[in-house]
Amino acid sequence: DARVTQTPRHKVTEMGQEVTMRCQPILGHNTVFWYRQTMMQGLELLAYFRNRAPLDDSGMPKDRFSAEMPDATLATLKIQPSEPRDSAVYFCASGLAGAPNEKLFFGSGTQLSVL
Amino acid sequence: GEDVEQSLFLSVREGDSSVINCTYTDSSSTYLYWYKQEPGAGLQLLTYIFSNMDMKQDQRLTVLLNKKDKHLSLRIADTQTGDSAIYFCAEYSGNTGKLIFGQGTTLQVKP
Repeated sequence: DARVTQTPRHKVTEMGQEVTMRCQPILGHNTVFWYRQTMMQGLELLAYFRNRAPLDDSGMPKDRFSAEMPDATLATLKIQPSEPRDSAVYFCASGLAGAPNEKLFFGSGTQLSVL
Repeated sequence: GEDVEQSLFLSVREGDSSVINCTYTDSSSTYLYWYKQEPGAGLQLLTYIFSNMDMKQDQRLTVLLNKKDKHLSLRIADTQTGDSAIYFCAEYSGNTGKLIFGQGTTLQVKP
């Protein structure tokens, strides 16, 4: 049963620390999206990649956030330095661009708490 | 730009029908989706509709699309307590390649 895998599931850290979140997209998928979910803002698109190339990261605070795809099986989202306002659930999703219905499959998320 | 709007909350009784509404702005949207999120979980794709369709039915789910008014709805027949969740409407923007979500509608099903 193919699924998007995110690690860690939960992360508690102190302000100023670096946080790295990882995502393994479904094998064969060529698009990867990072979303952030908070009560106040709902689901915000942070960045997305197609064929490992970043297409849009305009939703990310550039001074502290970075997103990369070192290879087709791994996407990372880093926050350095982290701040309490970064506390949220971060979701990764993958899909197949050009497929008839462009469905996205979501991971279970990383719940981040920055103290 | 793209924008998707949903009402935030809906409460129904078990066995009744639920109708969740959504409006979107991007006329280039090719697909529109409904996702379901249960507590502590990621989003699960429920159903989708292609923009040249008016209606799609999938078991207890009926999706209606009014492209002229850019209005999408999800009807759940015979709503069960297990349907309690947050439902997200999303549009795929053909211009940008992005999937844009609404704020989500929390569906509460009372026994």
